[in-house]
Amino acid sequence: EAQVTQNPRYLITVTGKKLTVTCSQNMNHEYMSWYRQDPGLGLRQIYYSMNVEVTDKGDVPEGYKVSRKEKRNFPLILESPSPNQTSLYFCASRWEETQYFGPGTRLLVL
Amino acid sequence: QKEVEQDPGPLSVPEGAIVSLNCTYSNSAFQYFMWYRQYSRKGPELLMYTYSSGNKEDGRFTAQVDKSSKYISLFIRDSQPSDSATYLCAMSEYNFNKFYFGSGTKLNVKP
Repeated sequence: EAQVTQNPRYLITVTGKKLTVTCSQNMNHEYMSWYRQDPGLGLRQIYYSMNVEVTDKGDVPEGYKVSRKEKRNFPLILESPSPNQTSLYFCASRWEETQYFGPGTRLLVL
Repeated sequence: QKEVEQDPGPLSVPEGAIVSLNCTYSNSAFQYFMWYRQYSRKGPELLMYTYSSGNKEDGRFTAQVDKSSKYISLFIRDSQPSDSATYLCAMSEYNFNKFYFGSGTKLNVKP
């Protein structure tokens, strides 16, 4: 089944404790992206990657890092999480005009 | 000012009604216009996509783009309870790298 998977689905952590949210797609898409979704603000793009080793900032990249060492994986790294990064995070891969979203990761930073 | 504005609703309609969802935008460089549907506790899924101005129809759904007014719409005919979801508009420039989403409109179709 063609899909985008994210892990973990739920995460509670404390301020300053580094964490990584993994994202993997099995559709051989070159483009992948990370978003956060907050009430009243909609989906905002954090980072995107056009291919292996090619990444660029979206609208809200501060406090986040990404890497793209393999085509299928695009992890999101929060090196020192803060409470304002509490959010619902979505990973997506894209083929032509269609973005395929993962199921989401709900993060709470205390 | 946000790049994309969307009325958050919620919008509640009876089954069979015609639903109109709208977004406005400020960036005249946007070339691609999309509507996503998001069910509760799920990721968004692409519903419709249009390029530049004009109308596009797909079954009960019609997407409309007016670039001169920087205004896009999604019409749902004969709405069904299964259409109850949050609808997000999204836009992109020519290269499809950066995407800008509206805040979403929550729709409830009552049986």
